[in-house]
Amino acid sequence: AQRVTQPEKLLSVFKGAPVELKCNYSYSGSPELFWYVQYSRQRLQLLLRHISRESIKGFTADLNKGETSFHLKKPFAQEEDSAMYYCALFRANAGNNRKLIWGLGTSLAVNP
Amino acid sequence: NAGVTQTPKFQVLKTGQSMTLQCAQDMNHNSMYWYRQDPGMGLRLIYYSASEGTTDKGEVPNGYNVSRLNKREFSLRLESAAPSQTSVYFCASSEAPGGADGYTFGSGTRLTVV
Repeated sequence: AQRVTQPEKLLSVFKGAPVELKCNYSYSGSPELFWYVQYSRQRLQLLLRHISRESIKGFTADLNKGETSFHLKKPFAQEEDSAMYYCALFRANAGNNRKLIWGLGTSLAVNP
Repeated sequence: NAGVTQTPKFQVLKTGQSMTLQCAQDMNHNSMYWYRQDPGMGLRLIYYSASEGTTDKGEVPNGYNVSRLNKREFSLRLESAAPSQTSVYFCASSEAPGGADGYTFGSGTRLTVV
C-alpha cells in the first residue's frame, strides 16, 4: 500500500542548530515527492519538490530510493522556520487516480 | 494575482444546518480539491475534480457534496452539519491532474458545528 510516514509529530530545536525532518514512503512505482509548509494559521505552501532539486529558504531534501526516504534538512534553523511541515507523495502510476498521499505532518519548533 | 480564494474564512453552524463553502481559482488550473485538516490526522481528501465537469470522492466524502460550477469554481456543501464536521477546510488547485506539479492552497475555512 502507498504510504507516507513522518515519524515525528513534534520536533524542537534551538536556533542555529541543524534540523532534519524525516519522511519515509512506501510506493512501488517511481515516486515524486514534495514538502509543504504551513505557518501558524496560514495556508499550506509548496516548499520544494524533489524533481526540481532546488533549495528553498535554506532547506534541501534528497530522494533516497534505497532507504525510501525524502528527509528535509537545514543546516542552521531560524525561529521563522517554526511551522508544520508535510511530506507528500504523488502517485504517478495510478491512471485516473493520480493524486497526492500525505504524511501526518511534523510540527517544528525553533527555540531562541 | 489572488490564487485560490475561499469564503467564508470562519463559520459557526448549528447541528443540522446546511452551508456551502466557496472556492475559486484564477490560475486556469484544471484540477481542484477539497481537504479537511484535523489535529493529529493531517490532511484528508474529501472530494476532488480532475477537470471541469468531473468530480470524484476522496477518503472522507460522507456528509459532503461538491459542485464544479465551471473551471474556476469548486464548492463544497454540507447538507446537514454534524459536530464531527468541525474542522479547517482547505481548497486547492493544480494545473496537472492529481497535483504532479504541486498544489496551490486557499487560506482555509474554520468551521465549528455546535
